[in-house]
Amino acid sequence: GDSVTQMEGPVTLSEEAFLTINCTYTATGYPSLFWYVQYPGEGLQLLLKATKADDKGSNKGFEATYRKETTSFHLEKGSVQVSDSAVYFCALSDRQGGSEKLVFGKGTKLTVNP
Amino acid sequence: DAMVIQNPRYQVTQFGKPVTLSCSQTLNHNVMYWYQQKSSQAPKLLFHYYDKDFNNEADTPDNFQSRRPNTSFCFLDIRSPGLGDAAMYLCATSHYAGGPNEQFFGPGTRLTVL
Repeated sequence: GDSVTQMEGPVTLSEEAFLTINCTYTATGYPSLFWYVQYPGEGLQLLLKATKADDKGSNKGFEATYRKETTSFHLEKGSVQVSDSAVYFCALSDRQGGSEKLVFGKGTKLTVNP
Repeated sequence: DAMVIQNPRYQVTQFGKPVTLSCSQTLNHNVMYWYQQKSSQAPKLLFHYYDKDFNNEADTPDNFQSRRPNTSFCFLDIRSPGLGDAAMYLCATSHYAGGPNEQFFGPGTRLTVL
């Protein structure tokens, strides 16, 4: 079945450091790819998405490019802030019938220190 | 603002005592999902409704049931909670119209089983 593998955490960075969280996937067909963020005690929020190869999703300074040749969707941010501390989940969509299911990676906890 | 609402945010129940968690949405989405998220893990899909069609995941225990009386509401019933059912329960919605669609998550209900 479809699966998502993302880098193990936790990741600890200083403010203004560069962030990369690796994500690779295995899927039949051409899924849409997502990054969700979960702040402490809250539900998941969509951070960005890409629906086809070479698409770049971006939001709040975060970017990720859908790379079909390497089956990857790595998350990057040039300068992190303390407020970016959260758990980040990479996910792909698996369409079944009339709805889509999300397959999540295990999540990467990011802590940004001042 | 259109949103996904979950009540209560925190629920405490006793071992074996039935409990119901509720989710409502103002997005008029045709798909509603229930996920279980245990500490430091990815959300795990329990089941979803596409309109009135119920779709159960193969590994969802029989102890978990769901009802969707109308478009706006969806309930998760745990018939006999065990200690292993303590988790965050996330409701999500999406609108399937033939193409890729994102899921919108509620804030979650944290269930404690004593």
